[in-house]
Amino acid sequence: GEDVEQSLFLSVREGDSSVINCTYTDSSSTYLYWYKQEPGAGLQLLTYIFSNMDMKQDQRLTVLLNKKDKHLSLRIADTQTGDSAIYFCAEDTGRRALTFGSGTRLQVQP
Amino acid sequence: DAGITQSPRHKVTETGTPVTLRCHQTENHRYMYWYRQDPGHGLRLIHYSYGVKDTDKGEVSDGYSVSRSKTEDFLLTLESATSSQTSVYFCAISGLQGGSYNEQFFGPGTRLTVL
Repeated sequence: GEDVEQSLFLSVREGDSSVINCTYTDSSSTYLYWYKQEPGAGLQLLTYIFSNMDMKQDQRLTVLLNKKDKHLSLRIADTQTGDSAIYFCAEDTGRRALTFGSGTRLQVQP
Repeated sequence: DAGITQSPRHKVTETGTPVTLRCHQTENHRYMYWYRQDPGHGLRLIHYSYGVKDTDKGEVSDGYSVSRSKTEDFLLTLESATSSQTSVYFCAISGLQGGSYNEQFFGPGTRLTVL
């Protein structure tokens, strides 16, 4: 997953907004994904964005895509303690598989 | 949740022994994947399958082999386990629905320790 980069750690206070950033590599990626991993569990799809979109909003989640800079971000509004997890971005490299970033650990402090 | 299970969930083995991990799905999805998760590396693809008896290598396939004799099962074998293969292994499935949209559903993981 070295080709998809994420910062390793983010700490926020409950009620604040969280912004998790990702830089991907393949400009031809059609879909970009955000997955969430809670402790001791597998990954679950949180949201995704199609490459012809700049923004997608889904309740507390906002995904922004800057194709020129190959930059993807996930904003979580009104962050709750239940949002504490590791968040992975992933790009579709066209090999029928996904390339994942190294994950950002989000810690939400009460 | 997608019907996907992994067995065993935990395993401790010794260097040089063969190990087989099993992934079982009840979703009839065509694509199945094996990843390993290590600190600082995220998930890295080991092998994947795009149909019965159709498999291909991922970025970290050395030391691993796979088999898929039926749609529901995808086996990952470590021919001779080494300490560098200590990791958490995740299986994933995908139906590749809607063109290139590739939502993958993950199993709960297998924690493997090689002593």
